[in-house]
Amino acid sequence: AQSVAQPEDQVNVAEGNPLTVKCTYSVSGNPYLFWYVQYPNRGLQFLLKYITGDNLVKGSYGFEAEFNKSQTSFHLKKPSALVSDSALYFCAVRDHILTGGGNKLTFGTGTQLKVEL
Amino acid sequence: KAGVTQTPRYLIKTRGQQVTLSCSPISGHRSVSWYQQTPGQGLQFLFEYFSETQRNKGNFPGRFSGRQFSNSRSEMNVSTLELGDSALYLCASSLRYEGSPNTEAFFGQGTRLTVV
Repeated sequence: AQSVAQPEDQVNVAEGNPLTVKCTYSVSGNPYLFWYVQYPNRGLQFLLKYITGDNLVKGSYGFEAEFNKSQTSFHLKKPSALVSDSALYFCAVRDHILTGGGNKLTFGTGTQLKVEL
Repeated sequence: KAGVTQTPRYLIKTRGQQVTLSCSPISGHRSVSWYQQTPGQGLQFLFEYFSETQRNKGNFPGRFSGRQFSNSRSEMNVSTLELGDSALYLCASSLRYEGSPNTEAFFGQGTRLTVV
């Protein structure tokens, strides 16, 4: 079964500093990986995805993610954090199309990001 | 372009009752998936519908069911509600079911169900 792990429940960073939210994956075959963000009492907003190609993926709101096949990681990064980035971040893996899983996403447990002044 | 619309946003129900939640996908999207989000279990996949057919199902009891209409709108139903069904229910729409991995799911704001 495919899975992702987010080892940190919470990440604290000062505004203006770089941030990293960690994610590791376990899949058979090529992974389809996603990052979503959730603000309080809201749904999930898509940030970025890795399907194939460049290992550095750029997404919304200045976020990027680095895919590392040897370390089976897909860490979310931002060069300079903002207080408004404070939210719950989810890493997810999508079933491979050949397994017939459709659009089913398997999510990590989430990482609460807190950016302080 | 309107996003995914879920109604109602909030619901309070009593144990033993049933509830129906609604989801209207993004125009042109034909696949609708449902997820349950709780503090203890996190985000869990319920089921996915495409072309009015359930294509995939998560590990939930039969009390959880759904359907999709010809206009791609979807409903999910939970019968005989239990306290543990209290959760945020999220709907996601995708352009198609299979054929291309390069499609992401877009989520609605969710329906907060409280069972008392």
